[in-house]
Parts: sequence; C-alpha cells; structure tokens
Amino acid sequence: DAKTTQPPSMDCAEGRAANLPCNHSTISGNEYVYWYRQIHSQGPQYIIHGLKNNETNEMASLIITEDRKSSTLILPHATLRDTAVYYCIVRVDSGSARQLTFGSGTQLTVLP
Amino acid sequence: GAVVSQHPSWVICKSGTSVKIECRSLDFQATTMFWYRQFPKQSLMLMATSNEGSKATYEQGVEKDKFLINHASLTLSTLTVTSAHPEDSSFYICSASANSPLHFGNGTRLTVT
Repeated sequence: DAKTTQPPSMDCAEGRAANLPCNHSTISGNEYVYWYRQIHSQGPQYIIHGLKNNETNEMASLIITEDRKSSTLILPHATLRDTAVYYCIVRVDSGSARQLTFGSGTQLTVLP
Repeated sequence: GAVVSQHPSWVICKSGTSVKIECRSLDFQATTMFWYRQFPKQSLMLMATSNEGSKATYEQGVEKDKFLINHASLTLSTLTVTSAHPEDSSFYICSASANSPLHFGNGTRLTVT
C-alpha cells in the first residue's frame, strides 16, 4: 500500500470548514484513498473513501486531485465533537477483507 | 449497518493472569477479522489476522503463544492475552468487514497491575 503524509496537527474554528490534506504521491491506479478518524479512547470510525472522483456523504467530502497524488478531506461545518485524529490511508480494494495500515494521522482540534 | 462490537470495553487484571477479549460482527458475517494494538500517543499497529475456521496469522514480533486468537464462527473472534504483564497494558481494537470498508470495535483498555 502506498505511503501517505499528513500534517501532525491542525486547528479549526467551530462552525468553519476543516480541510485536512493528505499526500500520497506514490499511489497506484488500483489504490483507493480511505479516511478514518479516531476520537480519544474509541475505535476508528470510517468516514469516506474514493478512487478518483470526488465523493460526498453525510459526514464529509473527499476531494482527490486529478493526478491522484493528494487529497483533501473536508468537514463542512466543524463541531467540537469533530476533534479527533484523522487518518488518510491508501489501500488496494481487492473486494476481500484486507487490513488497513495506519500512519500517524492529523490531530484536528476544533476550537470554540 | 456494519456494526462491530467489542467486549469488555475495559479490564484490569493482575500480572500473570489471562484476559479474553471478544469481537463480534453484529449484522454481517466476517470470515476475516483483524486485531490491533495501540499504545498511548501512538498509532494503531496490526497484531494479527483472524481467519474463521483456521489459524490466525500474526505480524512479526507478536507472540502467537501469548496472544491466542480463536475465530470459531463467522461473527465472533476472541483474543486471549495469556500470562499478562504490565507491558501488555494497551488499547486493543478489532475490526471486520463484509466488504470494504473495514469497521472497528470501540476497543478494550487493558490494564495489567
């Protein structure tokens, strides 16, 4: 699985959009970009994933650059409960269960 | 959908005793489950892959005789920490998937005194 690079920490004002970047310059054509978050002392929570098109769900939007070497997770209206470590993970989606390899992630702190 | 339940959420045990942690897929069947461990201020590290009906596959450096994994059914995997020592104190998390994406349990905080 391709390696990802994320800033170690970010702050965001409550109610504003949180834009979390991820660099995956060695991503290959069949690798998906996954985003998870981990609130303190809980298991990781799936947020969103995509291959090359931008994706949106009730939690967030995922913007993947045309060359697929980077992506941005957008939380449109951050709340205090969005404070968590956000992990960007690249993985081949073979259709069968494969493990996820976690990096160090980005600690997002939403400030009141 | 895709709920993974883990029990207990926390446990305190004495050094030398064994502790069993359960991981259940509540609304789907999982032939494969994963066990992770997370030390304070660190990321999740994969310990082993639990395969229904066969032996687990352990990551390098993880002692299979210390961390016993049993995946007896399509909805249940158990991790038993045998002869626990204080250095085994950690946050243990399981995950499972019917199809992508993987979903995670809420973790078990193990403290060995």
